[in-house]
Amino acid sequence: GAVVSQHPSWVICKSGTSVKIECRSLDFQATTMFWYRQFPKQSLMLMATSNEGSKATYEQGVEKDKFLINHASLTLSTLTVTSAHPEDSSFYICTGGQETQYFGPGTRLLVL
Amino acid sequence: RKEVEQDPGPFNVPEGATVAFNCTYSNSASQSFFWYRQDCRKEPKLLMSVYSSGNEDGRFTAQLNRASQYISLLIRDSKLSDSATYLCVVNVTSYDKVIFGPGTSLSVIP
Repeated sequence: GAVVSQHPSWVICKSGTSVKIECRSLDFQATTMFWYRQFPKQSLMLMATSNEGSKATYEQGVEKDKFLINHASLTLSTLTVTSAHPEDSSFYICTGGQETQYFGPGTRLLVL
Repeated sequence: RKEVEQDPGPFNVPEGATVAFNCTYSNSASQSFFWYRQDCRKEPKLLMSVYSSGNEDGRFTAQLNRASQYISLLIRDSKLSDSATYLCVVNVTSYDKVIFGPGTSLSVIP
């Protein structure tokens, strides 16, 4: 299957700092990628749809100014958690693909 | 109503048992369907696609009923390694959106 990478896999940061997570499609071009968040023992929640060359589409309740998404190329989408707070601590996963979605390995964010 | 709903679980079954997971979706424009499995603290991985004619992959059988907007996954002869959370996934192509169900947890007990 297609390969999606994410970086970093783990982040521990202080409250108030910004964290950037990269999602790359390694062997396919992704005009659209999706960003999900998963809290412990909960299901994946779609945060936003990242669109190459245009603005991201955010799900209801997700602050676009807090979770900045940039999809400047067909192989890279970035999610920046601005002014992170402890409640932003979560598992962030991106997906990309054509009909089948392939997941990145995820990024665990812990905000102290 | 949620767009994709699944059996709440958890399912605790002995090794060798047959277990069935059910999933319903609300958007009739949904066009592609998948089952993913997610191991604890890992990302979901594609288990199998679901086709209208039904499809089988070893011990796993997936079925789709478009009229009822219902998807199922059957696991025969359960193994300990089948323990995971199973996610029903629906691709609404017209909206370019992929919707995940909440997942059903399976524990296979020795």
